Amino acid sequence: GEDVEQSLFLSVREGDSSVINCTYTDSSSTYLYWYKQEPGAGLQLLTYIFSNMDMKQDQRLTVLLNKKDKHLSLRIADTQTGDSAIYFCAETLGSGAGSYQLTFGKGTKLSVIP
Amino acid sequence: DVKVTQSSRYLVKRTGEKVFLECVQDMDHENMFWYRQDPGLGLRLIYFSYDVKMKEKGDIPEGYSVSREKKERFSLILESASTNQTSMYLCAVQGLAGGEQFFGPGTRLTVL
Repeated sequence: GEDVEQSLFLSVREGDSSVINCTYTDSSSTYLYWYKQEPGAGLQLLTYIFSNMDMKQDQRLTVLLNKKDKHLSLRIADTQTGDSAIYFCAETLGSGAGSYQLTFGKGTKLSVIP
Repeated sequence: DVKVTQSSRYLVKRTGEKVFLECVQDMDHENMFWYRQDPGLGLRLIYFSYDVKMKEKGDIPEGYSVSREKKERFSLILESASTNQTSMYLCAVQGLAGGEQFFGPGTRLTVL
């Protein structure tokens, strides 16, 4: 299947901005997603962006999409200790009948230093 | 948003036992998924179902089977559990808007 790549770890200080990056391979993906997973829990959908958009903002979260480079990023402003978690990038698998499957990256573990 | 529940948060089984993991949604969505999550490997799709009695293999179906007799319920079955099936199992339901998937809290299965 297609690969979604993320760096495995990110460490930031409380109050700073965090930027988590992701590269994907399927140019026909319709939507791209960011999920958050806290320890011992399932994945929580944070936000998603439609492929014809460049940017989406939702309170402290900003998603940037560069389709030419197949690059997606999630910026968290004013990072708090409660933001410490694993963040997964995901893309829809192609279009048409297979588009209900998602391909996930391996996750970026964000550590927030007080 | 759809609420997804899984039958157990933690489960300990012995090698060779038959194991049932249940997933239930509180809406009427068609597409449901089972993943396993392992350190360093991320999420891997085991099986998915797009309607009652319909199922499709994912990337790692070996050693697993599934059952979808009712739309709201999707079960994952380990016919004969083995130690390499010790993992976190996550069920997901696909919403209608943007294809997003909503996840249950997960079942951490340990096979001794």
